[in-house]
Amino acid sequence: AQKVTQAQTEISVVEKEDVTLDCVYETRDTTYYLFWYKQPPSGELVFLIRRNSFDEQNEISGRYSWNFQKSTSSFNFTITASQVVDSAVYFCALSGRQGGSEKLVFGKGTKLTVNP
Amino acid sequence: ETGVTQSPTHLIKTRGQQVTLRCSSQSGHNTVSWYQQALGQGPQFIFQYYREEENGRGNFPPRFSGLQFPNYSSELNVNALELDDSALYLCASSAGVERELFFGEGSRLTVL
Repeated sequence: AQKVTQAQTEISVVEKEDVTLDCVYETRDTTYYLFWYKQPPSGELVFLIRRNSFDEQNEISGRYSWNFQKSTSSFNFTITASQVVDSAVYFCALSGRQGGSEKLVFGKGTKLTVNP
Repeated sequence: ETGVTQSPTHLIKTRGQQVTLRCSSQSGHNTVSWYQQALGQGPQFIFQYYREEENGRGNFPPRFSGLQFPNYSSELNVNALELDDSALYLCASSAGVERELFFGEGSRLTVL
């Protein structure tokens, strides 16, 4: 069975601090995909990144960076120089090729509050 | 380019009633997935439709059913509503069954 654990329920930081959101996953698939989504109060899940299991290169996109480590089954997300607009709930998710559908298994989310 | 739109945004039902939620997929997308998100939880996969056929289902009872239309819009129907069905229902579309999902803002259902 697939499982995603986001151990941090809530994180509160002050603007301009760096913050890392942890994600640990479990899967028996050899091919799988990992995702991060942002959910602002409006409810819409905003896609941030998708990585496949064969690509362990870290990725940076502006103030966002992701660290994928297969050895520890982790896919952590770092926001550098956080801003108030980064306040949201962040979800890590996992999918595999189950029945050909891209069923996403989500963690419970980490609520990030960035204070001015 | 129009994103994923869902209706209604909020609704209140009583236990035992039936509800229909609607979703218009993003232009060019032929796959629609539905997720249920209870308060304080991550979304849970209900089912996916690809070219009008169900293409995968999560651990939800048969009273959760769906449809996809030729224009790729979709409906989620829930019969015999229970209190635990209160949740945010998210629709997501994608350009194929293994492409990234783009989500709508959801329909918040309250069952009294």
